[in-house]
Amino acid sequence: GIQVEQSPPDLILQEGANSTLRCNFSDSVNNLQWFHQNPWGQLINLFYIPSGTKQNGRLSATTVATERYSLLYISSSQTTDSGVYFCAGISQGGSEKLVFGKGTKLTVNP
Amino acid sequence: EAQVTQNPRYLITVTGKKLTVTCSQNMNHEYMSWYRQDPGLGLRQIYYSMNVEVTDKGDVPEGYKVSRKEKRNFPLILESPSPNQTSLYFCASRGYETRNTEAFFGQGTRLTVV
Repeated sequence: GIQVEQSPPDLILQEGANSTLRCNFSDSVNNLQWFHQNPWGQLINLFYIPSGTKQNGRLSATTVATERYSLLYISSSQTTDSGVYFCAGISQGGSEKLVFGKGTKLTVNP
Repeated sequence: EAQVTQNPRYLITVTGKKLTVTCSQNMNHEYMSWYRQDPGLGLRQIYYSMNVEVTDKGDVPEGYKVSRKEKRNFPLILESPSPNQTSLYFCASRGYETRNTEAFFGQGTRLTVV
C-alpha cells in the first residue's frame, strides 16, 4: 500500500538549535505537503512542495521527487515551534486521499 | 482569507443523540473530505466528495453520513453517536481538476460521546 515514513519520531531541542525532519514516500504519493499540528490540535499548512525548495522565514523544505524524499529544516528553533510535524501526499487513484506519515513530535525547551 | 471553517470546535454529547458537524470552504474547491484523528492510529479518511452530489466512503465510514448539496459545504452527520466515535475530526478541501492540489484543513472538532 501507500507508504509515508517520517523520522525521527521524537526530537527534543534547546531553543535556538537547528533541526532537519525527514519524510520518505513511495512512488505513488504525489503533491507532498508539510503540516504543523500545534498543541491545540490545529493542522497548519507549512509547505506545499511537490518538488524543489521553498523557504518561509526560519523554515524551509526540499522535496526530491525522483528519490522519493522530502526534508523540513527548522532553524533557530523557538518554543512555539513545538508540536507534531506531519508530511502527507495524495495517493493516486481511488479516493485520492491524503496519506499522512506518523509525524515527528518536536519539543523545544527554553 | 482562504479558509475551511468547522463548527463546533468542541462538543460533548450523549450516546444516540444525532449531531451534525458543519464544514464550509471559500476557495471554490471541488474535493472535500472528513478525517478523524486518534492516538496511535493517525488520521483516517471517513468520507470524501469529488464534487457536488458526488460522495464516497473513505477508510472508516461506519456510523457517519455526509452530503454535498452545495460546493462550499460538506457536513458530517452522526445519526446515533457511540463512545467509539469520540475523536478529533477534521474537514479538508483542495482543488481536484486543477494543477494546484494543496489541501487546507479546518480548525478541528473535538467530539466526546458519553
